[in-house]
Amino acid sequence: DAGVIQSPRHEVTEMGQEVTLRCKPISGHNSLFWYRQTMMRGLELLIYFNNNVPIDDSGMPEDRFSAKMPNASFSTLKIQPSEPRDSAVYFCASSALGRSYEQYFGPGTRLTVT
Amino acid sequence: GIQVEQSPPDLILQEGANSTLRCNFSDSVNNLQWFHQNPWGQLINLFYIPSGTKQNGRLSATTVATERYSLLYISSSQTTDSGVYFCAVRTSGSRLTFGEGTQLTVNP
Repeated sequence: DAGVIQSPRHEVTEMGQEVTLRCKPISGHNSLFWYRQTMMRGLELLIYFNNNVPIDDSGMPEDRFSAKMPNASFSTLKIQPSEPRDSAVYFCASSALGRSYEQYFGPGTRLTVT
Repeated sequence: GIQVEQSPPDLILQEGANSTLRCNFSDSVNNLQWFHQNPWGQLINLFYIPSGTKQNGRLSATTVATERYSLLYISSSQTTDSGVYFCAVRTSGSRLTFGEGTQLTVNP
């Protein structure tokens, strides 16, 4: 089975541009998580969905960040407008609700905003 | 919220040595996971271990939930074991809370 798939793997953009990160969870998983990892703040949860519904978005830094999950096999994290301080690695993870809740991570997207 | 503390923060070993990494948490947990983040940044699942002991090759883990800690044992370490080891716990809902990690360097 394929694991969690993220695209793009690397993104370099200029300040002010819109950035869209994409994630495909493991088939059959019904929880999806977006994390951000930086040297200063470590791994922090931005938002998670259960059954395509956002449950907790308290980690979303500000209104420039938004996330959607239009169906069970696809989610996006959008930053508009991007700023240099958004530079980080963004991970998507998925798990199966009602079973072990064990989370599996995608390879991450390394975002650089210049 | 729950606090997760990992120790030591940094560890340097010679190839072939054994090591023990510790994770303490401040409240009861429903699950606990150990991850290895390799030098390429990938987060790899090692163990899902809310309680008890599990072994997978040279790695094993023990969680004593009543005493709020977990241990990860690495035996006969190899250079490919280098990276950061994270402990993460879930109390309620689906959210995982991560520790700050242990940076392991295994020298040849």
